[in-house]
Amino acid sequence: AQKITQTQPGMFVQEKEAVTLDCTYDTSDQSYGLFWYKQPSSGEMIFLIYQGSYDEQNATEGRYSLNFQKARKSANLVISASQLGDSAMYFCAMREGQVTSGSRLTFGEGTQLTVNP
Amino acid sequence: DGGITQSPKYLFRKEGQNVTLSCEQNLNHDAMYWYRQDPGQGLRLIYYSQIVNDFQKGDIAEGYSVSREKKESFPLTVTSAQKNPTAFYLCASFDRVPPNQPQHFGDGTRLSIL
Repeated sequence: AQKITQTQPGMFVQEKEAVTLDCTYDTSDQSYGLFWYKQPSSGEMIFLIYQGSYDEQNATEGRYSLNFQKARKSANLVISASQLGDSAMYFCAMREGQVTSGSRLTFGEGTQLTVNP
Repeated sequence: DGGITQSPKYLFRKEGQNVTLSCEQNLNHDAMYWYRQDPGQGLRLIYYSQIVNDFQKGDIAEGYSVSREKKESFPLTVTSAQKNPTAFYLCASFDRVPPNQPQHFGDGTRLSIL
């Protein structure tokens, strides 16, 4: 079974508008972490935002925020005021269990975001 | 600046040939990882290492080998047994303190078959 599901292969948004990228996850662990990464066409993976399973507040980092709904097992990324440079592939990832040196990430299939001028 | 360096950026492999991808980090991280990414898809874990002289198979280890003789280095060998090696390979490292630390990635190596 998929542990991370990103149901939107592609999304389009107008410049300066907000966009939500969906991510649902499956785990039986009480302790886990959720990450969002951005991958431009050049290929590097850029860390955007983190949400811990015990965090009571939704994470925010500048124009990025995470809509964390624990009961629904969803961790959607919201990008406000989209910019042309936001056009990229976006990946949701999960780390299960307590953090150790061997902590593994499971990645979703990604969402390709295109920002139109 | 601290970071992860992968080389080469592009690599070509002939049939029956083994090739080695380099990954070096100066972040003083204990854990290092190798991922494979096929076009339009997510990352899949090949191997990871929590400490020097120790490593574990990931989800798609067949046809690959690694070594971890130094903390800062984690090279990946794509052997001739890997029949479909064409992909983008990403190396990452991780420090478990503090717990919200992300994995840090290199810029990747694109491997193609000649």
